[in-house]
Amino acid sequence: GAGVSQSPSNKVTEKGKDVELRCDPISGHTALYWYRQRLGQGLEFLIYFQGNSAPDKSGLPSDRFSAERTGESVSTLTIQRTQQEDSAVYLCASSLAGAGLSYEQYFGPGTRLTVT
Amino acid sequence: RKEVEQDPGPFNVPEGATVAFNCTYSNSASQSFFWYRQDCRKEPKLLMSVYSSGNEDGRFTAQLNRASQYISLLIRDSKLSDSATYLCVVKRYNQGGKLIFGQGTELSVKP
Repeated sequence: GAGVSQSPSNKVTEKGKDVELRCDPISGHTALYWYRQRLGQGLEFLIYFQGNSAPDKSGLPSDRFSAERTGESVSTLTIQRTQQEDSAVYLCASSLAGAGLSYEQYFGPGTRLTVT
Repeated sequence: RKEVEQDPGPFNVPEGATVAFNCTYSNSASQSFFWYRQDCRKEPKLLMSVYSSGNEDGRFTAQLNRASQYISLLIRDSKLSDSATYLCVVKRYNQGGKLIFGQGTELSVKP
């Protein structure tokens, strides 16, 4: 079946512009996660959605970052007034459930963001 | 100090070698442990979960020592196709199931 998809695959933007990244999770997966991976680094958690519960935003690095999810479908991550340090690969993952259960997280191919 | 620490490598080994990766985690509330594999410019994929009793999957053996907060991955008879970055990952159920990643250990297997 279809895996997690993300768009765009690459995005180059000028410093100060806003960007919107999209994630389509695997159908039926109630949990959705956003991570960021800077060059040569491990993944950093950004935000987590579980069904209709309030999202866990504890990993968002600043108030320029926000994310939405409609029900159990598409999610968008928005970065306002981008800065050069925002350059990274943004990865989305989904799983059948989140907390308390050992469901595997499946990752999308990521969006490579470059801020010039 | 990072919550999950790994030796970044790179580890350069010949085909057929045995190689071991180590990882330490700082939060004793960590409850689930995994090794992920990430190929160059690709997304991470689950390699194997790590259980307290130790577990094996073909050429790969994972060990967990909760007392020392230490995780290991052993690869026997390494293949060219094993070349990748190996990510040590922990999960705490009281934090929504988010994964906490080490920075990864790069492995390069040479002919």
